[in-house]
Amino acid sequence: GQSLEQPSEVTAVEGAIVQINCTYQTSGFYGLSWYQQHDGGAPTFLSYNGLDGLEETGRFSSFLSRSDSYGYLLLQELQMKDSASYFCAGSGAGSYQLTFGKGTKLSVIP
Amino acid sequence: EAEVAQSPRYKITEKSQAVAFWCDPISGHATLYWYRQILGQGPELLVQFQDESVVDDSQLPKDRFSAERLKGVDSTLKIQPAELGDSAMYLCASSLNSQRGTYEQYFGPGTRLTVT
Repeated sequence: GQSLEQPSEVTAVEGAIVQINCTYQTSGFYGLSWYQQHDGGAPTFLSYNGLDGLEETGRFSSFLSRSDSYGYLLLQELQMKDSASYFCAGSGAGSYQLTFGKGTKLSVIP
Repeated sequence: EAEVAQSPRYKITEKSQAVAFWCDPISGHATLYWYRQILGQGPELLVQFQDESVVDDSQLPKDRFSAERLKGVDSTLKIQPAELGDSAMYLCASSLNSQRGTYEQYFGPGTRLTVT
């Protein structure tokens, strides 16, 4: 099975940079995904790391280190609309399933 | 842009009653997932379909929950009888039948169930 740990809440200022960390314990780990969910909304896919290193998509970047069982999501130039919950999710080789962390609630303040 | 459809969006039911949720995945997505999300938690997988076949229902409380995807397209999740602890958001997701489909899933808006 898999378990993923991430901070429950983070607060950051508009225009700043914030990093949301995720550590995982898993057997047969394949890759790490990140999802965003606004209050009352559906989770939406943000990024995926199948290899170690940094993946960049616009203002969002995600990083994975398999040797440290660790990843993070980096949000730059924060906007108020980035206030949401962010979930890391692990996928296992051959399972075609995701195991989600409990989520980090990001609050962006003026 | 294609979306996953779910209905109803909200459902209030009394305990011991039956309740059903419907999901229509994105056209061409062979894999369909049902998740349960409790407020403040991440989605937890209940059942996974590949076309019309159940791939994994190990986390589905089979004494009261059932799921089907008869023609390999839309799907229904049923709870009978509902219990107070079933109050949650029920999310449906779909994806392509590939490794990419594992990590890039498309979620519907969910059904918010309240059991009184």
